[in-house]
Amino acid sequence: DVKVTQSSRYLVKRTGEKVFLECVQDMDHENMFWYRQDPGLGLRLIYFSYDVKMKEKGDIPEGYSVSREKKERFSLILESASTNQTSMYLCASSPGQGSEKLFFGSGTQLSVL
Amino acid sequence: GEDVEQSLFLSVREGDSSVINCTYTDSSSTYLYWYKQEPGAGLQLLTYIFSNMDMKQDQRLTVLLNKKDKHLSLRIADTQTGDSAIYFCAESWGSGNTGKLIFGQGTTLQVKP
Repeated sequence: DVKVTQSSRYLVKRTGEKVFLECVQDMDHENMFWYRQDPGLGLRLIYFSYDVKMKEKGDIPEGYSVSREKKERFSLILESASTNQTSMYLCASSPGQGSEKLFFGSGTQLSVL
Repeated sequence: GEDVEQSLFLSVREGDSSVINCTYTDSSSTYLYWYKQEPGAGLQLLTYIFSNMDMKQDQRLTVLLNKKDKHLSLRIADTQTGDSAIYFCAESWGSGNTGKLIFGQGTTLQVKP
């Protein structure tokens, strides 16, 4: 089975801190995604990547950046965390073109105080 | 822009059928999906339908697609307490099946014993 692992289940950070959310997949998938999930809003795409060192903005990239130095790892960076970035962050991967199936990690619940 | 809309909550009794509805806006979507999120977990692909199909049945699940009205529904027969979860409708962005999805807000299904 494909496994998508997010490094932390819960994180508490202070306003202004730099925050790193890590995601690793173990099935050599081409595509990786970062979504945030908020009640009543569903999932919104922050950034995605189709290949190493490649990134594209999703719907809500402001305040975030990403890094994909290796195929299996996709990091989400909050340069200066703010309270409105308190949310559940979900990482996902998919094999690539022609695949319709996203595999999700269990999520990181981030609280910014 | 593209949008996917769902009602937020549905409550049924164990053994009844559940019907979760979704409307979408992008008529060029190649696939439409249903994902399930159990408490404390990421999303899992439940089922999907190709846009040139009207119906797809998979054991207790029936997906109906009305392309004219841009309406998608998921019917769960003989609903069990283990079906309690959040159900997300999603459409793909355009053609090419890139794995980039637009999600609805999610419908919380509560199954009462």
